[in-house]
Amino acid sequence: DAGVIQSPRHEVTEMGQEVTLRCKPISGHNSLFWYRQTMMRGLELLIYFNNNVPIDDSGMPEDRFSAKMPNASFSTLKIQPSEPRDSAVYFCASYAGVTYGYTFGSGTRLTVV
Amino acid sequence: SQQGEEDPQALSIQEGENATMNCSYKTSINNLQWYRQNSGRGLVHLILIRSNEREKHSGRLRVTLDTSKKSSSLLITASRAADTASYFCATGSNFGNEKLTFGTGTRLTIIP
Repeated sequence: DAGVIQSPRHEVTEMGQEVTLRCKPISGHNSLFWYRQTMMRGLELLIYFNNNVPIDDSGMPEDRFSAKMPNASFSTLKIQPSEPRDSAVYFCASYAGVTYGYTFGSGTRLTVV
Repeated sequence: SQQGEEDPQALSIQEGENATMNCSYKTSINNLQWYRQNSGRGLVHLILIRSNEREKHSGRLRVTLDTSKKSSSLLITASRAADTASYFCATGSNFGNEKLTFGTGTRLTIIP
């Protein structure tokens, strides 16, 4: 298994532009999580899905952020419009059960200028 | 918001020494997990301890959990240069053990 795959690895965009981050979880994992990591705030849970259904989106900072999981093998996190304060590393993680913990992707480093 | 707070924030030791990191949390938990993050990479799951366990071992890792003090420790014995990374504790709540809340992390540097 190739693990959790995120794309792109790096994204530099101008303020106001739409940004879409993508994630392919491990096949068979029922839960998918989006986290954001910054030096100031650490790791923050944005949203998570269970069996493709959003369960908790209380961490989504504002309406500019949206996430979808149209099927078990794909999820997107969209920011529209992007702002400089959205600059962070965004991680996707999938989960098959508590014994094994989360499997994280390599992250997308987003820079909004 | 952060559930766990790791202590110390940074730790530097000589290769071969043992490294101990601590984690304190605030609310009731179902399980506590430790993760490692190498620079520029995603987090990697190291070990899990359930709330009814007090100690667990995996290779050079030893984790303890004291639910009365709401604290955990991670001991890495005989450290190696490759152990240089950030280490995070994460807690799963009693209300469903899927969602994890991560601590602030300890930056460990092993000096060759």
